[in-house]
Amino acid sequence: DAGVIQSPRHEVTEMGQEVTLRCKPISGHDYLFWYRQTMMRGLELLIYFNNNVPIDDSGMPEDRFSAKMPNASFSTLKIQPSEPRDSAVYFCASRSGQSSYNEQFFGPGTRLTVL
Amino acid sequence: GNSVTQMEGPVTLSEEAFLTINCTYTATGYPSLFWYVQYPGEGLQLLLKATKADDKGSNKGFEATYRKETTSFHLEKGSVQVSDSAVYFCALSLIQAGTALIFGKGTTLSVSS
Repeated sequence: DAGVIQSPRHEVTEMGQEVTLRCKPISGHDYLFWYRQTMMRGLELLIYFNNNVPIDDSGMPEDRFSAKMPNASFSTLKIQPSEPRDSAVYFCASRSGQSSYNEQFFGPGTRLTVL
Repeated sequence: GNSVTQMEGPVTLSEEAFLTINCTYTATGYPSLFWYVQYPGEGLQLLLKATKADDKGSNKGFEATYRKETTSFHLEKGSVQVSDSAVYFCALSLIQAGTALIFGKGTTLSVSS
């Protein structure tokens, strides 16, 4: 299995621009999570989906952030407009609802820098 | 609420030293507990897990025992290697609180030869 795939691995953009991060979960996994990692706040859950439906988006910082999961094999996290304080590493993770241990598998992350 | 507290880092050790990274948790129910490891430039990987009291998770020489009485899940390794240098995250999961993992802030381990 290829694991969770994220793209791009690095993104540098200017303040005010739209940024789209992409994630392909492990085939067969029905949960997908988006996390943000910063030095100040550590690892934060932004939103998660079950069977392509958003279940909890209480971690999304503000309306500039939006996430979609149009099908079981693809999700996007969009920031519009981006701000320097959005600079962070964004991780996508997935898991199977059949797992009783809630083991999540993480992608390599997208390092976002907003200038 | 539900939370995880890890010892502050960084932890700096010489090769072959004994490692302990403390982790305690607060949970409204009966959680599953995890240690994840993040190597430089990579995503998090599951290192070990335990799902009930007195369970011992182990992997790659690392161990952690689920202690319900002290609400702890301390990570230990008898002899660390330079390749163990990474950030270690303790986490818990409560099915009744949703399916998300709750992470500690992470502890950076640096091992020198």
